[in-house]
Amino acid sequence: GAGVSQSPRYKVAKRGQDVALRCDPISGHVSLFWYQQALGQGPEFLTYFQNEAQLDKSGLPSDRFFAERPEGSVSTLKIQRTQQEDSAVYLCASSSRTGTGTEAFFGQGTRLTVV
Amino acid sequence: KQEVTQIPAALSVPEGENLVLNCSFTDSAIYNLQWFRQDPGKGLTSLLLIQSSQREQTSGRLNASLDKSSGRSTLYIAASQPGDSATYLCAVDNYGQNFVFGPGTRLSVLP
Repeated sequence: GAGVSQSPRYKVAKRGQDVALRCDPISGHVSLFWYQQALGQGPEFLTYFQNEAQLDKSGLPSDRFFAERPEGSVSTLKIQRTQQEDSAVYLCASSSRTGTGTEAFFGQGTRLTVV
Repeated sequence: KQEVTQIPAALSVPEGENLVLNCSFTDSAIYNLQWFRQDPGKGLTSLLLIQSSQREQTSGRLNASLDKSSGRSTLYIAASQPGDSATYLCAVDNYGQNFVFGPGTRLSVLP
């Protein structure tokens, strides 16, 4: 596609509910990143994929967070038993080479509100 | 652990002024640095990417410089316009597998 696409754009979840956020990277991009952005702050790294391999998940805040990219293209970030502190914008980015070192392109984000 | 700071946190200028946004990072062993723009409720738009071997990059009215040894980058915006109002973020590629972002500078350009 022309850019990184994320869905849904907005999600309201009741506390305790499970949610799944989707990211469609730019076609052919090897690297995919997930970031969490709290209001008024810069994005914080969550996890990184190189094709289908999850090479770094050090930023995932708890074991309630799980990400996958089974075929090396679309990725899903799943949050189980959502808590109010999970409310944030979740950003996905992709780049054409392995790791970083090239320009990263970001999607519009999914704004998650846990009530 | 790499830490990125940005000064000022917020800036308000009249239209037409030239301005400088600052970004500092603690670990100079970086691969590159990227400046982004974020409009309210939107994702990040890439503005400029500076490789570690480069000193500056230019795109239109924007010029970004990089001094890796001192851990600093600046984003210069010439002849600012109201449409430049947004939050500007710098992100450091830390020779790892992720970018480390600063908190951003919120810019308002008044007509």
